[in-house]
Amino acid sequence: EVQLGESGGTLVQPGGSLRLSCAASGFTFSSYWMSWVRQAPGKGLEWVANIKQDGSEKYYVDSVKGRVTISRDNTKNSLYLQMNSLRVEDTAVYYCARVSTTRGLRSYYFDYWGQGSLVAVSS
Amino acid sequence: QSALTQPRSVSGSPGQSVTISCTGTSSAFGGYNFVSWYQQHPGRAPKLIIYDVNKRPSGVPDRFSGSKSGNTASLTISGLQAEDEADYYCCSYAGSYTFGEVFGGGTKLTVL
Repeated sequence: EVQLGESGGTLVQPGGSLRLSCAASGFTFSSYWMSWVRQAPGKGLEWVANIKQDGSEKYYVDSVKGRVTISRDNTKNSLYLQMNSLRVEDTAVYYCARVSTTRGLRSYYFDYWGQGSLVAVSS
Repeated sequence: QSALTQPRSVSGSPGQSVTISCTGTSSAFGGYNFVSWYQQHPGRAPKLIIYDVNKRPSGVPDRFSGSKSGNTASLTISGLQAEDEADYYCCSYAGSYTFGEVFGGGTKLTVL
């Protein structure tokens, strides 16, 4: 059974930093593109970042470029999101999501999601 | 404001059909047919219900169907059931615009 479990969310002051983690199990983690998607309280979903299987390609939504870094450790079946210079508008539940990938090629949808981790940015 | 526009709410009675639209620019859809739909119940993670415009993952009832014409994608739910009440989000790969995905603002479905 595919499982994704986020951790690391907490209350942080504006300008602060935070690292989210996502532990994956039930599939060959190193074979899949992975993503982070966030949802501000009472708002819709927003794609944040994607990372290729070997970490050689990373893409970000414009609003986080230069402040956020997606990474992965395939030896630990883990995905990470390092968030710096946090802003109030970064407050959201952050979901780890698996990108459907077949024979090494990514598809363009998220087939499994974690339960999310809440990041609250406030003074 | 999302690059993909959905109605904020739709409603229908049990047994009826409802259609949720998702309208975007050609850049929002990236010129691709990579539209997916997600169902989200309150306090829960999103769940994939349609991918590649009109394909259903295993386990998703055939009451859910998707289509796309021009710059408008649609999700149709037939034979509405109480458990279908949820938020629904369309999503598209935006191609070289962002090399990532863009979501619609979401539609709240109420089963009357």
